[in-house]
Amino acid sequence: AQSVTQLDSQVPVFEEAPVELRCNYSSSVSVYLFWYVQYPNQGLQLLLKYLSGSTLVKGINGFEAEFNKSQTSFHLRKPSVHISDTAEYFCATPRGPGFQKLVFGTGTRLLVSP
Amino acid sequence: NAGVTQTPKFRILKIGQSMTLQCTQDMNHNYMYWYRQDPGMGLKLIYYSVGAGITDKGEVPNGYNVSRSTTEDFPLRLELAAPSQTSVYFCASSKTVLRGTSGANVLTFGAGSRLTVL
Repeated sequence: AQSVTQLDSQVPVFEEAPVELRCNYSSSVSVYLFWYVQYPNQGLQLLLKYLSGSTLVKGINGFEAEFNKSQTSFHLRKPSVHISDTAEYFCATPRGPGFQKLVFGTGTRLLVSP
Repeated sequence: NAGVTQTPKFRILKIGQSMTLQCTQDMNHNYMYWYRQDPGMGLKLIYYSVGAGITDKGEVPNGYNVSRSTTEDFPLRLELAAPSQTSVYFCASSKTVLRGTSGANVLTFGAGSRLTVL
């Protein structure tokens, strides 16, 4: 079954530095991948998604992700982070009949300090 | 629009008690989900529903029950609460769209319900 693995539980970074949050997926015929973000004490919201087409996907708040089939990866990047980017980030992929069950990785906590 | 509304936001239960977490959405979404979030474990799917009258188990359904009598409401019932059910619970909903289309798997989440079982 399709699944995702997030390799880092926590990533500390200084403000204005670049960041990469890693996500690997298990290979499958059809690959749909998502990044969701959870700000403190809130529910999750969609950051970006890959369905098909261009392997570089742009999302909200300056984030982007690159789908890499040979590496089975979908890493999330931002060239310059802000304090307000402090949050937990989840990689996700659909599974099951109709592919409407979204399964999530274990999450990566991004900690941005001044 | 209110989106997805969960109640209560916080609750403390004693072992063996039962309770219902309420979830309602006003977006006319067919799909609804219950997840639990535990530190370091990400989100685990408990139950989901593809429409009124239809529910199915997710990854961790034991100890929970759901019903879906209307499109809007998807309550989660905990019977005989156990400490292992201490968690943050999220309800979410999404539209019915074809797999691989732009709206597929775009979930709208509620703000969460923090449950502690002592």
